[in-house]
Amino acid sequence: QVQLQESGPGLVKPSETLSLTCTVSGDSISNYYWSWIRQPPGKGLEWIGYIYYSGSTNYNPSLKSRVTISVDTSKSQFSLKLNSVTAADTAVYYCARSPPTAARLGYFDYWGQGTLVTVSS
Amino acid sequence: SYELTQPPSVSVSPGQTASITCSGDKLEDKYACWYQQKPGQSPVLVIYQDTKRPSGIPERFSGSNSGNTATLTISGTQAMDEADYYCQAWDSSSWVFGGGTKLTVL
Repeated sequence: QVQLQESGPGLVKPSETLSLTCTVSGDSISNYYWSWIRQPPGKGLEWIGYIYYSGSTNYNPSLKSRVTISVDTSKSQFSLKLNSVTAADTAVYYCARSPPTAARLGYFDYWGQGTLVTVSS
Repeated sequence: SYELTQPPSVSVSPGQTASITCSGDKLEDKYACWYQQKPGQSPVLVIYQDTKRPSGIPERFSGSNSGNTATLTISGTQAMDEADYYCQAWDSSSWVFGGGTKLTVL
């Protein structure tokens, strides 16, 4: 059974960098796309970006200037860094897996439980 | 940027059929999928690539995609189906979600 678990600080100060890690268990991290998705309280889902196990990335254009996603295959982990955060970045952050198919065919078949990150001083 | 539009809410009586729509420009040329999210839980994939149902998803969930509209249909809706539903598709270089639809079973 594939499991994804997010970890990282639950509180980040404005203008600082939000850093989260997703640990994958139950299957290899290879041959899949790994995404970060967020959901502000009471609102909808927003895709942040993905990384392929090989290291290639693709980011949401609206966040691209502030986002970095990296992968450590030896630890079965991938990470998110979002810099210059504001209160608008307060959200539940999910990590999720997509099968190795063309992006236009893509979907998220496994999700982490999500972690709430609050941006506040 | 590409937009997917969903009705904010849909109501259905138990046992009846619920239809939730997702509209986007030339959506039929893309592949739509659908997620169910219950309060305090992570989203769950219920339909992918327009019409396919993942293992473990009941047969009462089905999907279609034609023209500018993808539709999630729940036949014989049960109380346990009450949740938020989100559509999702790929456009250009981004995965995009619809704004979500709250399904109420009453």
